[in-house]
Amino acid sequence: DAGVIQSPRHEVTEMGQEVTLRCKPISGHNSLFWYRQTMMRGLELLIYFNNNVPIDDSGMPEDRFSAKMPNASFSTLKIQPSEPRDSAVYFCASSWGALTWNIQYFGAGTRLSVL
Amino acid sequence: SQKIEQNSEALNIQEGKTATLTCNYTNYSPAYLQWYRQDPGRGPVFLLLIRENEKEKRKERLKVTFDTTLKQSLFHITASQPADSATYLCALGVNRDDKIIFGKGTRLHILP
Repeated sequence: DAGVIQSPRHEVTEMGQEVTLRCKPISGHNSLFWYRQTMMRGLELLIYFNNNVPIDDSGMPEDRFSAKMPNASFSTLKIQPSEPRDSAVYFCASSWGALTWNIQYFGAGTRLSVL
Repeated sequence: SQKIEQNSEALNIQEGKTATLTCNYTNYSPAYLQWYRQDPGRGPVFLLLIRENEKEKRKERLKVTFDTTLKQSLFHITASQPADSATYLCALGVNRDDKIIFGKGTRLHILP
């Protein structure tokens, strides 16, 4: 298996623009997680899905952020409008099972720069 | 408030020695604790999980301890090698199905 695939690897955009990050989880995994990593705050869980259903979105910073999982093999994280403070590395991870203590497999991340 | 603390300063260890990393937490009663390794430009990679009723877990050269009284986990790498140089993250979960919370990580340098 190719692992968790994220695209794009790098994204540079201007403030106010819409940004869409994409994730393909490992085939057969039924939980998917979106994280944001910064030097100041470390790795923060934004939202996680189980069987394509959002279970906990309490980490989503504000209404400008939204996430969808239309099917078991694809998820998006959208920021609209983007702001410079959204600059970070965004990771997607997937796991098998509904328990969050199951091993999570991370993608390589998307480095987002909002100018 | 709830807090997870890992050494923010980098740890330099001579090759062949044992590296010990610390994860302290406050205001948590975690059901489990995980350790991940992260290399520059890459996502974290799972290493070990230890549950609240376990004192110690081993995997090859890695050992994790979990002291719920001290509210601390120690992560040991024995016979360290330069290839072990990376950032190591600890992560806590209060319940089996509650969200996992990561520390900021400790950067480890193994010096040849």
